[in-house]
Amino acid sequence: ETGVTQSPTHLIKTRGQQVTLRCSSQSGHNTVSWYQQALGQGPQFIFQYYREEENGRGNFPPRFSGLQFPNYSSELNVNALELDDSALYLCASSVDRGRDEQFFGPGTRLTVL
Amino acid sequence: EDQVTQSPEALRLQEGESSSLNCSYTVSGLRGLFWYRQDPGKGPEFLFTLYSAGEEKEKERLKATLTKKESFLHITAPKPEDSATYLCAVLSSGGSYIPTFGRGTSLIVHP
Repeated sequence: ETGVTQSPTHLIKTRGQQVTLRCSSQSGHNTVSWYQQALGQGPQFIFQYYREEENGRGNFPPRFSGLQFPNYSSELNVNALELDDSALYLCASSVDRGRDEQFFGPGTRLTVL
Repeated sequence: EDQVTQSPEALRLQEGESSSLNCSYTVSGLRGLFWYRQDPGKGPEFLFTLYSAGEEKEKERLKATLTKKESFLHITAPKPEDSATYLCAVLSSGGSYIPTFGRGTSLIVHP
């Protein structure tokens, strides 16, 4: 069974640029959630996708957007990058929207200069 | 608004020295409380889900318990490989599927 994978591992961007992060969910999982984790903080929920539709959104501006594809993989897009967007971005998948256990990927470390 | 507070922020133990981590929470109704382990620069690893007060779950040297206001993660005779950040999260029963995480407890176990 393949776990959750994320790409790229690390990324360096400059302020104002746009970035796309990718996530492949664990086999058999139809729900994907994205989190932002700043250094020394707990993960902050960005949004969740269930069967290709957004199923909930945290307190993040519209320049954070996402997609889920028919194979349940997902993308997180961030436009107009700001310095404070520097963080570890985590993707987590679960068997179903109603199943509570989430399995996290290794994360993408984004640095905005 | 759901809130999760973890204490202590950091804990240093000697190998074999048992201790407990605390997670205090405030939710309108608890759907579930989760414990995760996170190694530096990596994604959290799922440990336990607890659903109701009085419930306990164990895995190797770890035991999680739940009351109506808090959860404890007991670590018995820890080893250096138990060093990590332990995260607590809650999911309310209000219909959304948005978990709220605490800031974590950083545990270091010295040999």
